[in-house]
Parts: sequence; structure tokens; C-alpha cells
Amino acid sequence: IAGITQAPTSQILAAGRRMTLRCTQDMRHNAMYWYRQDLGLGLRLIHYSNTAGTTGKGEVPDGYSVSRANTDDFPLTLASAVPSQTSVYFCASSEQEGQPQHFGDGTRLSIL
Amino acid sequence: QQPVQSPQAVILREGEDAVINCSSSKALYSVHWYRQKHGEAPVFLMILLKGGEQKGHEKISASFNEKKQQSSLYLTASQLSYSGTYFCGTEGGSQGNLIFGKGTKLSVKP
Repeated sequence: IAGITQAPTSQILAAGRRMTLRCTQDMRHNAMYWYRQDLGLGLRLIHYSNTAGTTGKGEVPDGYSVSRANTDDFPLTLASAVPSQTSVYFCASSEQEGQPQHFGDGTRLSIL
Repeated sequence: QQPVQSPQAVILREGEDAVINCSSSKALYSVHWYRQKHGEAPVFLMILLKGGEQKGHEKISASFNEKKQQSSLYLTASQLSYSGTYFCGTEGGSQGNLIFGKGTKLSVKP
């Protein structure tokens, strides 16, 4: 079934550790996004990529990095995790920027 | 600027109607609406482009008033399956990125 796959589903991580959240889509969408969702704050954009080889910063990029080496994969890396990065992380994709976004099932990340 | 959604929460009986509003302080190119059920991913409902068009999806429709920089989502004859949190996402620039509101939690009771 076509869609977006995120891994892991959930993770508990010690502060200071490095962590990469994986996101893969098989719809050949050009644009991909990473959001974090915190209770009462809605979805906030961390980083985005409008096409393979390019990335951009969203509303809350500090402490996160991304890469887009090919169309399908868009990993999100926390270089040195801090407790304030405890959140649910959603990866999304769309055919082009501005088009309907399809979301993965999310990764629940707890930083202790 | 994050769009403002109202109300924050609403409780309905099956068959009742509801309106959810989304307002922005910036000029908008488009408004997206998504629904998220508890523990699940957001699901796309519809896009409205500037021009004031109204779109429909089953018994859910929406309008977009670009002059007022706001959009409204109309849920008619609500069903239990409509329960969830509704988010509007606004697009104001050329990059096509969305800024989401904080959401409106809709609960439909039998």
C-alpha cells in the first residue's frame, strides 16, 4: 500500500544522545515535511524539502537537521537530544509544495 | 503568524451542525483543512484557494474569504465519525509551507 512509513513508532532516549527519525514515501512526491505536535500547540513545521537535494527551515528548526539525498527518504536528526524535544513527530509529503499533505503515523519520542 | 481557530472545542449531538473558523492576520494564498482522530495521523479534507470559493466533501464544506483572511468549515448533520480535532493550515507565501492553527476539538455524542 502506497504511503509514508516512519520509524521508530516510539522511542525513549537519554538526554544528550543522537537520534535519527526515519521517513520513507513511495508516492514519488517532490515535497516532504517534518512537524512536531505538542499538546495545545498544534502542528509546527521543523524542516521541509521541496525537491530532492534541497531543504529549508520551518518555524522551529533549532536542534534538528535534515537531509534529502533522494526523492523517497527524508530523515530527521537530533544531534544532542534535550527534554524539550519530547514530542510526537510527523513526517508528511505532497506532490508539490502547496498541495494536499499525506502524513505518516508519527513517532512518539520521549527525552529523559 | 499562526492562524487562530475558534472555538477551541465543541460538543454536538448527532445530527447537529457546527462551524469552525480560522483567521489569519496575514494575506492568504490558500487554506487547508485536516482532521485528526485521537492517536492517529492528520488526514487531508480540502484546500481552498483565494477567490472565495466554497468546496464540499460529503456533508463537510468550507468557504474562504480572502478579504477577511479567514476560512470557515461547515459540518452539517454531524455523525459520530466526525469526532476529532480539526486543523486549518494557512499558506501565505511563495514557498507553499503551511502554518497550522492549534486545532478545534469536535466531539459528537449519540
